[in-house]
Amino acid sequence: DARVTQTPRHKVTEMGQEVTMRCQPILGHNTVFWYRQTMMQGLELLAYFRNRAPLDDSGMPKDRFSAEMPDATLATLKIQPSEPRDSAVYFCASGLGGIGEKLFFGSGTQLSVL
Amino acid sequence: AQSVAQPEDQVNVAEGNPLTVKCTYSVSGNPYLFWYVQYPNRGLQFLLKYITGDNLVKGSYGFEAEFNKSQTSFHLKKPSALVSDSALYFCAVRVGGTDKLIFGTGTRLQVFP
Repeated sequence: DARVTQTPRHKVTEMGQEVTMRCQPILGHNTVFWYRQTMMQGLELLAYFRNRAPLDDSGMPKDRFSAEMPDATLATLKIQPSEPRDSAVYFCASGLGGIGEKLFFGSGTQLSVL
Repeated sequence: AQSVAQPEDQVNVAEGNPLTVKCTYSVSGNPYLFWYVQYPNRGLQFLLKYITGDNLVKGSYGFEAEFNKSQTSFHLKKPSALVSDSALYFCAVRVGGTDKLIFGTGTRLQVFP
């Protein structure tokens, strides 16, 4: 079965370090989303892409977060420098685009910033 | 602005009983509504959607949802709950004119044997 692959599954780092999370969307999908899940805030949309172009990153702290799609098979989310409040599960999702299309989620990256 | 609300943090139900997980929405224009389920340590999985047409939508694992325009609700239902249905359930709405999907806060469903 086709699936969204995220790496790493778990990441523990110290405050101030750079963190890079990677996502391989399902082949043929043209939309990619980054969500962050915490107990307090629930699921927050950080950024999304259509055809590799960033369409909306208004949910992302611009001073430390960046999201890119170097090619159609890879999306990255970087945090530099990381802070303890960034500790969360980060999900990538992909889809075919369109109002009726469902999203396929990866298993997430569990990030702990000490 | 488009949003969804899930008024219950947790729903408890005995196995074999019917279950309902509530969701209300606020949108300008036509609502495009979704339900997703999240099992422990996993990503979200699509259950069902309402785009247009019949108000009763059937989805995966025996779940269904009823769209009610007058009450702006999209409640998730199942006639007979299973212990394996225990999970976190999210209602979501597509922001008009975009691909963005905004999720509710989630409802934890606990089905007891």
